[in-house]
Amino acid sequence: GAVVSQHPSWVICKSGTSVKIECRSLDFQATTMFWYRQFPKQSLMLMATSNEGSKATYEQGVEKDKFLINHASLTLSTLTVTSAHPEDSSFYICSAQQGSGNQPQHFGDGTRLSIL
Amino acid sequence: DAKTTQPTSMDCAEGRAANLPCNHSTISGNEYVYWYRQIHSQGPQYIIHGLKNNETNEMASLIITEDRKSSTLILPHATLRDTAVYYCIVRQGGSEKLVFGKGTKLTVNP
Repeated sequence: GAVVSQHPSWVICKSGTSVKIECRSLDFQATTMFWYRQFPKQSLMLMATSNEGSKATYEQGVEKDKFLINHASLTLSTLTVTSAHPEDSSFYICSAQQGSGNQPQHFGDGTRLSIL
Repeated sequence: DAKTTQPTSMDCAEGRAANLPCNHSTISGNEYVYWYRQIHSQGPQYIIHGLKNNETNEMASLIITEDRKSSTLILPHATLRDTAVYYCIVRQGGSEKLVFGKGTKLTVNP
């Protein structure tokens, strides 16, 4: 149980294009979904928290107009990196949590984004 | 900043128990201790979490000291596939956020 699917797993695109990443909870309803970014040899950094039907809450230093998050249903959240540039190249990982409080977050397998 | 301290790296022989320590001396009364691991180029995998009692599941055991200032994750019979970075995280009270530190890189050797 508690499977989170992330798609695509790997994407390469040209500078200036927008890239959408999907995160789905396959066997549970996710009240809250989270988006993280991980640069090489570094730990995960939380970018934003989203609750179904609400606007996402972004961490300090994360541009909300560049990283658009949509959480339209209890099983799907999307992250769109708009006008991506080489410095946006990173490993993007989502997680989903059922209910609130101390329920564990379950993570997807990540999306490796490379901007040329 | 992460509220935990873990050794940077550890080694363990295959088939032996792996005991991963974590210090969280500033933990508050309502904060849980979570353990995740991340195998290279994958998303983190949830292992176990606890408040004050010891916990066990099919993956591992979590031993929390009585004063809750430290804990140990135990993998009873380590395999090569347990090689990963293990993160001990104290979840901020009243928040759903997980703040990842640098973790412990566990290498299981044949």
